Amino acid sequence: DTEVTQTPKHLVMGMTNKKSLKCEQHMGHRAMYWYKQKAKKPPELMFVYSYEKLSINESVPSRFSPECPNSSLLNLHLHALQPEDSALYLCASSYDPGAEQYFGPGTRLTVT
Amino acid sequence: QQPVQSPQAVILREGEDAVINCSSSKALYSVHWYRQKHGEAPVFLMILLKGGEQKGHDKISASFNEKKQQSSLYLTASQLSYSGTYFCGTEEGNYQLIWGAGTKLIIKP
Repeated sequence: DTEVTQTPKHLVMGMTNKKSLKCEQHMGHRAMYWYKQKAKKPPELMFVYSYEKLSINESVPSRFSPECPNSSLLNLHLHALQPEDSALYLCASSYDPGAEQYFGPGTRLTVT
Repeated sequence: QQPVQSPQAVILREGEDAVINCSSSKALYSVHWYRQKHGEAPVFLMILLKGGEQKGHDKISASFNEKKQQSSLYLTASQLSYSGTYFCGTEEGNYQLIWGAGTKLIIKP
């Protein structure tokens, strides 16, 4: 299984809502990542989990809260988002930190 | 510091060759190359590690000049399926990938 899955595919939420994005991989990868991507821009690293521990947090606002319940799962909890947070949110995994990354299809988030 | 990619965009006819460059002002441990098609997620192409190696598969290859902190991606006899945006990602030994701005490649029949 060489797939990273993400749910939901699309999400529309108001600024007062609380929602979560989910990412799953069954490749035995030890590192997992959250990226934010705006149109025509490269992916922007948000969080890195290595061996289920948060190792890199790129000064992301606290309205984004990551969680890694186990080595296969990664969640991103969203609360009180702003319209400028609308973007494609990508999850990726790699066997080790620094190794090639495999991406999920992403969640297209719209904040109204 | 974000690596610099060039060109920003290139238009080719099917069968032509292309070179995409990626350079950094920092000492690099590795360079990654990814391709992203419109509406899809990035797909890993290859990784080059410190040591100046060259890699390739099919008609896509890449080189890494460690001394110059530069990498180049070579697309030979381009196919329609090669269209997309190519990103390089550089890693300075801290496992954090810094992505270039991307090079948009359009292949016309």
